Amino acid sequence: SQKIEQNSEALNIQEGKTATLTCNYTNYSPAYLQWYRQDPGRGPVFLLLIRENEKEKRKERLKVTFDTTLKQSLFHITASQPADSATYLCALPSSGSARQLTFGSGTQLTVLP
Amino acid sequence: SAVISQKPSRDICQRGTSLTIQCQVDSQVTMMFWYRQQPGQSLTLIATANQGSEATYESGFVIDKFPISRPNLTFSTLTVSNMSPEDSSIYLCSVPGTGNTEAFFGQGTRLTVV
Repeated sequence: SQKIEQNSEALNIQEGKTATLTCNYTNYSPAYLQWYRQDPGRGPVFLLLIRENEKEKRKERLKVTFDTTLKQSLFHITASQPADSATYLCALPSSGSARQLTFGSGTQLTVLP
Repeated sequence: SAVISQKPSRDICQRGTSLTIQCQVDSQVTMMFWYRQQPGQSLTLIATANQGSEATYESGFVIDKFPISRPNLTFSTLTVSNMSPEDSSIYLCSVPGTGNTEAFFGQGTRLTVV
């Protein structure tokens, strides 16, 4: 089964800086990788999907890269704001079904004003 | 996107009792997924609820402990049976998006067993 590791359980950065979160996976290379945001007491919310043939994907202040050689994805939030404070999860399709997802443990980001 | 209503949002239950969690989707979906998120942990898939057939359970989860119903394409329930404090978790239902890639989640049910 797929194993996913996300860097550090918690990341604190200053407002205005760029936050960079890491997601590493083992075993098979997935067709795509996703990033979700989860706020306390809420379910995860889908942010971005990047496919194996895409090196980079952007959405507003978010940027995701996908390196299938390194088996790694980087998630960047530029010009970070306190409202970006949340837990960010990466997810990959499970080997048994493309519709099932395996989630990383998440990185809790705190943007300090 | 799909809008998912999940209830209750939270509950405190006595050990040995059972709790049924409901999940209502605003559109018809073939698959619905139930996840558990233990404190400080990520999401773990419990089972896939298929309409018209038995749910498919992941390793470590059994039907007697987590019976699931899926009476139609917009609704599912998960029951946590004979609860113990170890069952204290957030339980989430989820459906795939129209692209069958991204997932949409309910707001979760925070269960505390005392």
